[in-house]
Amino acid sequence: GAVVSQHPSWVICKSGTSVKIECRSLDFQATTMFWYRQFPKQSLMLMATSNEGSKATYEQGVEKDKFLINHASLTLSTLTVTSAHPEDSSFYICSARGNGADTQYFGPGTRLTVL
Amino acid sequence: QKEVEQDPGPLSVPEGAIVSLNCTYSNSAFQYFMWYRQYSRKGPELLMYTYSSGNKEDGRFTAQVDKSSKYISLFIRDSQPSDSATYLCAMSGDNDMRFGAGTRLTVKP
Repeated sequence: GAVVSQHPSWVICKSGTSVKIECRSLDFQATTMFWYRQFPKQSLMLMATSNEGSKATYEQGVEKDKFLINHASLTLSTLTVTSAHPEDSSFYICSARGNGADTQYFGPGTRLTVL
Repeated sequence: QKEVEQDPGPLSVPEGAIVSLNCTYSNSAFQYFMWYRQYSRKGPELLMYTYSSGNKEDGRFTAQVDKSSKYISLFIRDSQPSDSATYLCAMSGDNDMRFGAGTRLTVKP
């Protein structure tokens, strides 16, 4: 149980385009989803927290107009990187937590490369 | 001072060795403690989950929590090359969760 999927697993795009990444909880209802980015050989950096049906809460320094998060259902959250630039190239990982749970379950990650 | 401190390593051990990974924390509100394993270019995978002081064993893995010292450990017995990964400690409480920086472990055959 507690499986989280992400799509796509990798994406290459041109500078200036937008990219959408999906995060799905497959066998539980995720009342809260988290989005992280991870640079090579570094730890996870929390970008934002989203509760189903509410606006996401962004960490300091994360541009909410650049990283659009939607959590419209209990099993799906999306992260859209708008007007992507090469410095946005990174490994983006989502995690999901059920109602009342204390543990996050992670997706497999999406590797974004912006040319 | 960071809320969660974890030595990033890298840590290299021979196959069969006992590995000890540790984290310290400062927030006494943390009540739940987790260890995640992350292979290169993969998402973190939940390995162990504990919520009380003491030891919890699962196969070759033992998680230890000492709330009085604000110190948690993960022990890996009979380490295998397949254990080579980054291990992240995590802890939560009051609807807040924090991760350690992760320790890179290499088990050499």
